[in-house]
Amino acid sequence: DGGITQSPKYLFRKEGQNVTLSCEQNLNHDAMYWYRQDPGQGLRLIYYSQIVNDFQKGDIAEGYSVSREKKESFPLTVTSAQKNPTAFYLCASSVPTSNQPQHFGDGTRLSIL
Amino acid sequence: GENVEQHPSTLSVQEGDSAVIKCTYSDSASNYFPWYKQELGKGPQLIIDIRSNVGEKKDQRIAVTLNKTAKHFSLHITETQPEDSAVYFCAHAAGNMLTFGGGTRLMVKP
Repeated sequence: DGGITQSPKYLFRKEGQNVTLSCEQNLNHDAMYWYRQDPGQGLRLIYYSQIVNDFQKGDIAEGYSVSREKKESFPLTVTSAQKNPTAFYLCASSVPTSNQPQHFGDGTRLSIL
Repeated sequence: GENVEQHPSTLSVQEGDSAVIKCTYSDSASNYFPWYKQELGKGPQLIIDIRSNVGEKKDQRIAVTLNKTAKHFSLHITETQPEDSAVYFCAHAAGNMLTFGGGTRLMVKP
């Protein structure tokens, strides 16, 4: 089945540690996105990538980094500079044209130890 | 992106009743309006979307209406069932970047 796979489902971070969240898609989509969701709130854009080897900051990029070396993969690193990393992280993908839906994975829940 | 306000934040209905969720946006360039359903511990799933060249779209028990002049759009769910219980998000886009509302928690009581 085509879709987006996020792993792990649950992740714990120690103080001062960087952690990387995986996102893989087999939908042949050029565009990929990372969102952060806090309890009872909507989705806020962290980073997005319209094409391989290119990515742009979203609204809340501080403390995060990404790479886009392959079309299928868009990993997100939560660095030690992100002081409040506890949240639900969602990855999405879409075709890179206007008026098209984004398709989401099932998220990674990150907590602080 | 431009903000979108979503109301109500929680909605409780009796099974079989209708549910209506409303969103208001400010970017007059917005031309794509999807609605997503998110179940606990899962990612949002697209349930219906509408583009600005139409005013209404229906898919079985779900319908969306769009008023571009007033800059608001609504989700209507008829004959609600317990499995409709979830958090619903509206979104809008000018281009391919979505801006999401804050979500509505819908509870359908059997």
